[in-house]
Amino acid sequence: QQNVQQSPESLIVPEGARTSLNCTFSDSASQYFWWYRQHSGKAPKALMSIFSNGEKEEGRFTIHLNKASLHFSLHIRDSQPSDSALYLCAVRGSALGRLHFGAGTQLIVIP
Amino acid sequence: ETAVFQTPNYHVTQVGNEVSFNCKQTLGHDTMYWYKQDSKKLLKIMFSYNNKQLIVNETVPRRFSPQSSDKAHLNLRIKSVEPEDSAVYLCASSYWGGREQYFGPGTRLTVL
Repeated sequence: QQNVQQSPESLIVPEGARTSLNCTFSDSASQYFWWYRQHSGKAPKALMSIFSNGEKEEGRFTIHLNKASLHFSLHIRDSQPSDSALYLCAVRGSALGRLHFGAGTQLIVIP
Repeated sequence: ETAVFQTPNYHVTQVGNEVSFNCKQTLGHDTMYWYKQDSKKLLKIMFSYNNKQLIVNETVPRRFSPQSSDKAHLNLRIKSVEPEDSAVYLCASSYWGGREQYFGPGTRLTVL
């Protein structure tokens, strides 16, 4: 049974800061890794994904995966108030497997 | 507009009542899901359907039952609601074997 844990539970950072969010998983056979973002009262929306070890950058966002350490992370450069949201990591074991979500990190970016 | 739509946005009811939530997607996906998001924001899958057929049925109380009329619609009925059913119910869709799931805005249920 997949166990997905996120840290920290909440984070308050000033505008312009670099923010790091962490996610660990328990199933070493996991193949697909996502970060979803959920603004208050809105639908979760996929932000970034990675499927092989290493790093992937899209604009201000970078995702890093280390399967051997059962860990992946999301880094936000130059954090903006609009980045304030609940960030959910999700892991899937196979293409047809179900998504397992972490409990989320609540990020608040102070102007 | 192509998206996942849910109705109602909110529902307040009393213990023992029956409720139904609707979900429709216009993305052309063949797989739909119901998730429960509790007060701690944890998302847990409840059911998933592929082309109107149930493929995932997590351990949920028997008072919960999904209903699918076609691959674009997946409703959720709860018979005799309990206080612990208070949560946000999120509907999602994807292609079978697809990598990304698309979520609706959710239905917030409050059981008094």
